[in-house]
Amino acid sequence: NAGVMQNPRHLVRRRGQEARLRCSPMKGHSHVYWYRQLPEEGLKFMVYLQKENIIDESGMPKERFSAEFPKEGPSILRIQQVVRGDSAAYFCASSETNSNEKLFFGSGTQLSVL
Amino acid sequence: GENVEQHPSTLSVQEGDSAVIKCTYSDSASNYFPWYKQELGKRPQLIIDIRSNVGEKKDQRIAVTLNKTAKHFSLHITETQPEDSAVYFCAATGNTGGFKTIFGAGTRLFVKA
Repeated sequence: NAGVMQNPRHLVRRRGQEARLRCSPMKGHSHVYWYRQLPEEGLKFMVYLQKENIIDESGMPKERFSAEFPKEGPSILRIQQVVRGDSAAYFCASSETNSNEKLFFGSGTQLSVL
Repeated sequence: GENVEQHPSTLSVQEGDSAVIKCTYSDSASNYFPWYKQELGKRPQLIIDIRSNVGEKKDQRIAVTLNKTAKHFSLHITETQPEDSAVYFCAATGNTGGFKTIFGAGTRLFVKA
């Protein structure tokens, strides 16, 4: 049973470009969460999705950021017109139920904006 | 919304000593408290968790305690080993706003051999 898969592992973008981060949850998990981590800091909640639904996006900036979890395929976190401040590690986690317990994390995508 | 405070931010102990990390939470509706360990450059991994109907839980060298009244919970690591060196995150989950898990800022633990 493969764990949570994230790709790419590293992503370099120039200011103004778009970044697309992908996350495939563990088999049997239908709940996906995105977190952002700056160096030496904790994990900041961004968004919680179930298949085809955004449940809670209260941690996601209103502009330039969007997330989806389609019926088929991975969850996508999209950042449009990236700025240097978007540079961070973005972790995806999944859980089996909607109780948000026992999150399993992916290896993260390190986004660097030049 | 939920807010989780974690102390200390850095902790250095001698191998074999105990380490204690403390957290407080703000949302009295929170009912699940996991702890994650993150080694350098790696993903956070769940090491132990506790639910609000339990006051203490132990798993080998690791134990967690929960004081619901005071909204405090703690991680205790006994007989520390160099491989325990990592960043530890506490977290709190409740049903306010859709079962979000909110993390503390982390404690960087150094175990000196």
